Amino acid sequence: EPEVTQTPSHQVTQMGQEVILRCVPISNHLYFYWYRQILGQKVEFLVSFYNNEISEKSEIFDDQFSVERPDGSNFTLKIRSTKLEDSAMYFCASSFKRGERGELFFGEGSRLTVL
Amino acid sequence: DQQVKQNSPSLSVQEGRISILNCDYTNSMFDYFLWYKKYPAEGPTFLISISSIKDKNEDGRFTVFLNKSAKHLSLHIVPSQPGDSAVYFCAASDRGSTLGRLYFGRGTQLTVWP
Repeated sequence: EPEVTQTPSHQVTQMGQEVILRCVPISNHLYFYWYRQILGQKVEFLVSFYNNEISEKSEIFDDQFSVERPDGSNFTLKIRSTKLEDSAMYFCASSFKRGERGELFFGEGSRLTVL
Repeated sequence: DQQVKQNSPSLSVQEGRISILNCDYTNSMFDYFLWYKKYPAEGPTFLISISSIKDKNEDGRFTVFLNKSAKHLSLHIVPSQPGDSAVYFCAASDRGSTLGRLYFGRGTQLTVWP
């Protein structure tokens, strides 16, 4: 069964460092998303991406965050200067079509620990 | 931001019995609701959904009920199995927002014991 894959599974970084989280969405999917879950809290939407541009972003997704689809397969989330509060599990997700209401396929997540 | 609330952090049910997981929402713009299941070290997995034009949707052992007037939905699992033990997230989609932007509850840890 096709799946969304994410790398790395766990990354530890120093505050102020740049981090890139990578995702390979399901191959025929057109819509891509990043969510995050801070430990003990709810899963929160960060950004959605379609046709090589951001469709929507949340209040969390400030100027420190960026997303990119550098080639036909990868979808990346970059955090330019990490803060302690960026420590969380980051989930990539994808979906096939606009009419597919909400059925997102999630990856296993990348755990980011900022020290 | 408490637009989707799951007030029970945990639920314990015996195998074979019914599990009922509850969810409340506050945003009247929500028009599509979903349940996701999550095992440790895995991402959330879609389970079942319901549009606001319906009040019930059934898929095998899983049924979701929607009460729009009460802004309440519930997930029924009958019969419950040990493999159902997981965290269950209620999520909602806003008709005015990007399809795929979901608002999640905090989740309910379901434990099904033999």
